[in-house]
Amino acid sequence: EDKVVQSPLSLVVHEGDTVTLNCSYEVTNFRSLLWYKQEKKAPTFLFMLTSSGIEKKSGRLSSILDKKELFSILNITATQTGDSAVYLCAVAIQGAQKLVFGQGTRLTINP
Amino acid sequence: NAGVMQNPRHLVRRRGQEARLRCSPMKGHSHVYWYRQLPEEGLKFMVYLQKENIIDESGMPKERFSAEFPKEGPSILRIQQVVRGDSAAYFCASCSMANTEAFFGQGTRLTVV
Repeated sequence: EDKVVQSPLSLVVHEGDTVTLNCSYEVTNFRSLLWYKQEKKAPTFLFMLTSSGIEKKSGRLSSILDKKELFSILNITATQTGDSAVYLCAVAIQGAQKLVFGQGTRLTINP
Repeated sequence: NAGVMQNPRHLVRRRGQEARLRCSPMKGHSHVYWYRQLPEEGLKFMVYLQKENIIDESGMPKERFSAEFPKEGPSILRIQQVVRGDSAAYFCASCSMANTEAFFGQGTRLTVV
């Protein structure tokens, strides 16, 4: 069964800290890995990763994929209270045409 | 270019009634996914549709649930004879092709009383 596991499930840090969120996967036919940020409602797209070792960056957020070890990390530097959200990792499956989601990491940034 | 639109945002149904959830994809998108999210859980895949075609419904319960994406109009997720366990947030996502990123709607929160 295709599986995506995120850790930690919950994380509380102070504003200004750097955090690293983890996503590991076991899937039959990997196509790409996606990160989403979910605040009150809809998940919003952050990154899509298809190649190993190439860092994607957007402001204070960055992400990288390791297809050999089957994991990805999402880094957030100089965290702000607005970064508080659930961060979802999803893997797109070749052929099955679906996204398999992890449980999410609930990140809380305290001022 | 409006994003993915879902309605209603909130839906309350009594046990045994039918629930219809609508999703209009982003302009130019012809692929739609439906996901269910229970409290404190991740998103669970239900069904993937193209216009007039169900591609993958492996995550959809065999009974009471159905989905369609007609040539004209929104995608509909239909739940017949709802039970309390159907209470959840239902998200729709659309993409332009199967191998591009999916963008989500705001979700419909279904409460069965």
